[in-house]
Amino acid sequence: RKEVEQDPGPFNVPEGATVAFNCTYSNSASQSFFWYRQDCRKEPKLLMSVYSSGNEDGRFTAQLNRASQYISLLIRDSKLSDSATYLCVVNPSSGAGSYQLTFGKGTKLSVIP
Amino acid sequence: NAGVMQNPRHLVRRRGQEARLRCSPMKGHSHVYWYRQLPEEGLKFMVYLQKENIIDESGMPKERFSAEFPKEGPSILRIQQVVRGDSAAYFCASSPGGQPQHFGDGTRLSIL
Repeated sequence: RKEVEQDPGPFNVPEGATVAFNCTYSNSASQSFFWYRQDCRKEPKLLMSVYSSGNEDGRFTAQLNRASQYISLLIRDSKLSDSATYLCVVNPSSGAGSYQLTFGKGTKLSVIP
Repeated sequence: NAGVMQNPRHLVRRRGQEARLRCSPMKGHSHVYWYRQLPEEGLKFMVYLQKENIIDESGMPKERFSAEFPKEGPSILRIQQVVRGDSAAYFCASSPGGQPQHFGDGTRLSIL
């Protein structure tokens, strides 16, 4: 099983749609979780951290289910500017190696006019 | 308030040459991380450095690759005797310690 697994997509959605991405991780000891976005040929940029209680930032909602080792990202009212690849990122541990981020391959989103 | 600065943005080398990639962390950040992204792959951790110390190089290939973060100046990722398989985007990230890490815009290395 891959350490961090995501549906590669692409997800092609019309403007204004709601879209959800899922991610699973294999290391049950993982401590922190993030969603990054990466535009074509650009660097990953932190979108949001993911907390057990779930968290929201404007149109973006992230959820974490530790029991199922599952992370999700919901985007409401999609904008053209949301088109990017969304990376699920896991920090594997709290001790040694807690700085190593493990990245999924990403899910590509295209928002269509 | 400059972010993580990497240079060059693009680097072309012939097989057997050396590649040097530079990274200046964000102001106030003393922790530097290097990641490699192969085509159609996720980013993979390579090495973690603090000033003058390599903390973890478990993700670095055993041969030809080295990294440093001197007391003065940028962090350097050095690849000797490059091969075609080294073609990738190399990203540097920095943090003040812990998370989150902030990424530079990468160096795209192409090997002819």
